[in-house]
Formats: sequence, structure tokens, C-alpha cells
Amino acid sequence: EVQLVESGGGLVKPGGSLRLSCAASGFTFSSYSMNWVRQAPGKGLEWVSSISSGSSYIYYADSVKGRFTISRDNAKNSLYLQMNSLRAEDTAVYYCARGYFDHDILTGYGNWGQGTLVTVSS
Amino acid sequence: EIVLTQSPGTLSLSPGERATLSCRASQSVSSNYLAWYQQKPGQAPRLLIYGASSRATGIPDRFSGSGSGTDFTLTISRLEPEDFAVYYCQQYGSSPYTFGQGTKLEIK
Repeated sequence: EVQLVESGGGLVKPGGSLRLSCAASGFTFSSYSMNWVRQAPGKGLEWVSSISSGSSYIYYADSVKGRFTISRDNAKNSLYLQMNSLRAEDTAVYYCARGYFDHDILTGYGNWGQGTLVTVSS
Repeated sequence: EIVLTQSPGTLSLSPGERATLSCRASQSVSSNYLAWYQQKPGQAPRLLIYGASSRATGIPDRFSGSGSGTDFTLTISRLEPEDFAVYYCQQYGSSPYTFGQGTKLEIK
């Protein structure tokens, strides 16, 4: 069974940093692109970042470019999101999501974690 | 950036009725790389449709997707009680991989 478990969320002050992790199991992690999607309280989904299976291709939303860094460790079956210079508008539940098809970054998101809440407030 | 506009914002229907949800893109979606997701309160989204018209594994055949270019539709042929939720479209053909703002499907 595919499992994605996010961790690392919490309360942080504006300008602070946080590192999110997503532990994957139940599939060959190194074969799939991975993604971060966030959802502000009561709002819709916002794509944040994507990384290909071998880390060759990385993309960011303009709203986080230069502040967030996506990475993965295929040996540890883990996905990460380093978030710096956090702002109040970054407050959201952050989901990690797996690409539906393997070896393809241009794919829908077939499996999602339960999300981790990041709150940016003084 | 491709902007996706979903309509209507809220759709009020009864179980057994047919639902038609629209997703319009500001420019053509590359290779019809358009997905639909369902999200229920307190849950993560679930992939329903990819490639504009292909159902994901385990999705009932009452869900169907159609369209190409800039106009896409999600149709639920006969609504079941568990189908009342929020639906999002997403284009994943060109970064940034944007989502629509969502359509809330509520019980009439």
C-alpha cells in the first residue's frame, strides 16, 4: 500500500524557516516524480513545487521561488521542502503527492499524504 | 502561467441527478494534460481523471472527463451521496502546474 507521511509542520514567526519531510513507503520511490501542494485554511489547492524521479527537473510556483527548495533522498525514500523567509501567506496545510505514472513528471497526482500544517505568525 | 477558471462556483443538485462541471484554461493545455480531483472536508484530494478523459484506478465509471485545448468538463452521470464534495481541475502540461479555484457540489 502506498503511504506518504508528512512531518515538520508547526508554528513559525515571519522570516523564519522550516523543513518539511515526506516519508514514502509501499512503492519504488526512486521511480516517481514527487510534488508539494498547499492549501490555506478554507481556500483551494495551490501547487508549490515538483521534482522528477532523479532530481534532474525541478519546478516552483512564482510565489515560493527563491525562498523554498525541494529535494529528495531516494536512498531514504524521502522528499523534503526547505522553506525560508516565511510569510503569513505561506500558512497552509502542505501535502506531498506522488506522480500517477512512474518516470514522468507530466502526470496527475495519484497518491497524497494527510498533510502537515504550517502556521506563520508572530 | 495558465489560469484555470472553474464554473459554477457552487452546484446544488440531488442524488441521482447529472452533474456537469466546467474548467476553462486561459491558453491551450499542452497535450490535454488536465486532471480532476475530488476533495472532501478534512481529507486529502483524490485523483479522478488524468489526461482530460482517463479515469484513475478505482474510480467509478459514473465519473467521466472530456474536452481539449482550453475547455474541459467533468461529468458525474448519476450522483451518489458520497459524491458531494469540492472538485478541482489542474493542468500539468506546463509549469507552473496550476489548479482551478474549485467547484463545490452540494446537496439540494
